[in-house]
Amino acid sequence: GENVEQHPSTLSVQEGDSAVIKCTYSDSASNYFPWYKQELGKGPQLIIDIRSNVGEKKDQRIAVTLNKTAKHFSLHITETQPEDSAVYFCAASKGRRALTFGSGTRLQVQP
Amino acid sequence: EPEVTQTPSHQVTQMGQEVILRCVPISNHLYFYWYRQILGQKVEFLVSFYNNEISEKSEIFDDQFSVERPDGSNFTLKIRSTKLEDSAMYFCASSEAGLVNEQYFGPGTRLTVT
Repeated sequence: GENVEQHPSTLSVQEGDSAVIKCTYSDSASNYFPWYKQELGKGPQLIIDIRSNVGEKKDQRIAVTLNKTAKHFSLHITETQPEDSAVYFCAASKGRRALTFGSGTRLQVQP
Repeated sequence: EPEVTQTPSHQVTQMGQEVILRCVPISNHLYFYWYRQILGQKVEFLVSFYNNEISEKSEIFDDQFSVERPDGSNFTLKIRSTKLEDSAMYFCASSEAGLVNEQYFGPGTRLTVT
């Protein structure tokens, strides 16, 4: 089955800096790659996703890139703010199948 | 903005007891999922449900687990005889029909088995 590896496990940045979180996946048939933000005590919140027919997608300060050949995808957050502090999970799926999650990255934005 | 809701937020039960976790998916969604997250670990898939039947399940989803859509709005997860290792956050998610696999998660139910 699919295996998703995520790193780093923790990331501390200064407010205003950029943050990058990277994931790799094993199943070349996977074609959907969402990113979730989880704040303490809450459920995962979908923040951005990308499909395998696209190499990059951007939404304001958040962008995701996908390299299908290398089977890795990344989340980029620019101009980080304290409210970006949370745990971020990447995931992968094939069609409508279950999401396989990475192990999570705890992002701390220092004011 | 529509959202997935779950009840209860926290359930404490004794080992061997049955529990039912409840979810109300987003109203126009047709695909429903249960995931769990053991403290400090990654989110793990349990089961997906579409058109009144299970469409996919993981190895975790054994005979102790069952799902049901008893009416037009609720989606439930039942654990027949809870074990200590069932202690986790249980998340319900839902998504629309079609090719899109955008899954929206509820706030979760924390299950504590003592």
